[in-house]
Amino acid sequence: NAGVTQTPKFQVLKTGQSMTLQCAQDMNHEYMSWYRQDPGMGLRLIHYSVGAGITDQGEVPNGYNVSRSTTEDFPLRLLSAAPSQTSVYFCASSSRGVGYNEQFFGPGTRLTVL
Amino acid sequence: EDKVVQSPLSLVVHEGDTVTLNCSYEVTNFRSLLWYKQEKKAPTFLFMLTSSGIEKKSGRLSSILDKKELSSILNITATQTGDSAIYLCAAGPNAGGTSYGKLTFGQGTILTVHP
Repeated sequence: NAGVTQTPKFQVLKTGQSMTLQCAQDMNHEYMSWYRQDPGMGLRLIHYSVGAGITDQGEVPNGYNVSRSTTEDFPLRLLSAAPSQTSVYFCASSSRGVGYNEQFFGPGTRLTVL
Repeated sequence: EDKVVQSPLSLVVHEGDTVTLNCSYEVTNFRSLLWYKQEKKAPTFLFMLTSSGIEKKSGRLSSILDKKELSSILNITATQTGDSAIYLCAAGPNAGGTSYGKLTFGQGTILTVHP
């Protein structure tokens, strides 16, 4: 089991560019989510999904899009990058089984927007 | 709006000291309180506390959930330099509806343990 994987590990963008952060899990988890982490602010939820075809907004969704066409993949799209989106992004997944609130995290993507 | 608050935001101790980290929560349909440790990479799971398991212990770490006070503490005894990390607290809702996996995180407590 690879668990939760994210690509790329690092990325530098210029203001206005778009890109997609990839996230995949091989644990057949129904729930997947994207967080951003900024110094002193913990993890803030961007978007989440409770299954293929179902997504919803979290606390800080502006400037980001998601889709969930398969159980395994949950890509995060930055539509037009801004310096305020410089952050570390984590993808996480969890199941509906016992302990379902426990989320497993990917290794993160460090994004810098110039 | 769901909210989780941790205190202190940072803490500096020496090896051997005992520390207590605090977490308070306001979450609609609360089900569980989770603690994670983060060392320069992804958070790793420590404990999950629910109404059916309000006290957990693993080695030098222990945690208690106080559902009346809507709070939790994480204790670390005989601290070591390897305990230096960000400790994150998160609260999650009940299984109903579509928000069952949605965690609300606190700001984190940065713990630094000096030799």
